[in-house]
Amino acid sequence: GNSVTQMEGPVTLSEEAFLTINCTYTATGYPSLFWYVQYPGEGLQLLLKATKADDKGSNKGFEATYRKETTSFHLEKGSVQVSDSAVYFCALSERNDMRFGAGTRLTVKP
Amino acid sequence: ETGVTQSPTHLIKTRGQQVTLRCSSQSGHNTVSWYQQALGQGPQFIFQYYREEENGRGNFPPRFSGLQFPNYSSELNVNALELDDSALYLCASSFLAGNYEQYFGPGTRLTVT
Repeated sequence: GNSVTQMEGPVTLSEEAFLTINCTYTATGYPSLFWYVQYPGEGLQLLLKATKADDKGSNKGFEATYRKETTSFHLEKGSVQVSDSAVYFCALSERNDMRFGAGTRLTVKP
Repeated sequence: ETGVTQSPTHLIKTRGQQVTLRCSSQSGHNTVSWYQQALGQGPQFIFQYYREEENGRGNFPPRFSGLQFPNYSSELNVNALELDDSALYLCASSFLAGNYEQYFGPGTRLTVT
């Protein structure tokens, strides 16, 4: 069945460091791919998405490219801020359900 | 535009009891999905409702059931609560069933003692 595997955390970075959170997926068809962010005590917020191969999703300085050949959708940001501290979830959607990875906790220190 | 809202925020129940959680979808959305998020884990898909019909279900037992109303709001009912049902229950709405981004509510934290 469909599944998502994320880089295990936690990840701790200094402010302005480069961020990469790895995500790979397994799917039988052509899913859409998403990154969601969850701040403490809150629900999930859509960060970015890509609906087909080679699409690049971007938002708030974060980027991820849908790579069909490597079944990956890695999240990147060139310069993280303290306010980026949160849990990040990679997800795929095909047909009627969305499958999430286990989440990666990011802490950014000043 | 009103976002997805859920009630109650927190709930404490005893094992064996029944619980009903509520969700109001975002304006213009006709699909509601429910997820269970255990502590430290990613959300797990419970089921989805589209136009008042169940439109997909994850690996959850029948004691998890739901409803969607004509105004697209939804309820999640859980019977015979077990300790392992303690989790954050998330509702998400979207415009159409299928590969569309889902917008999540803040969740209901259920504790079963």
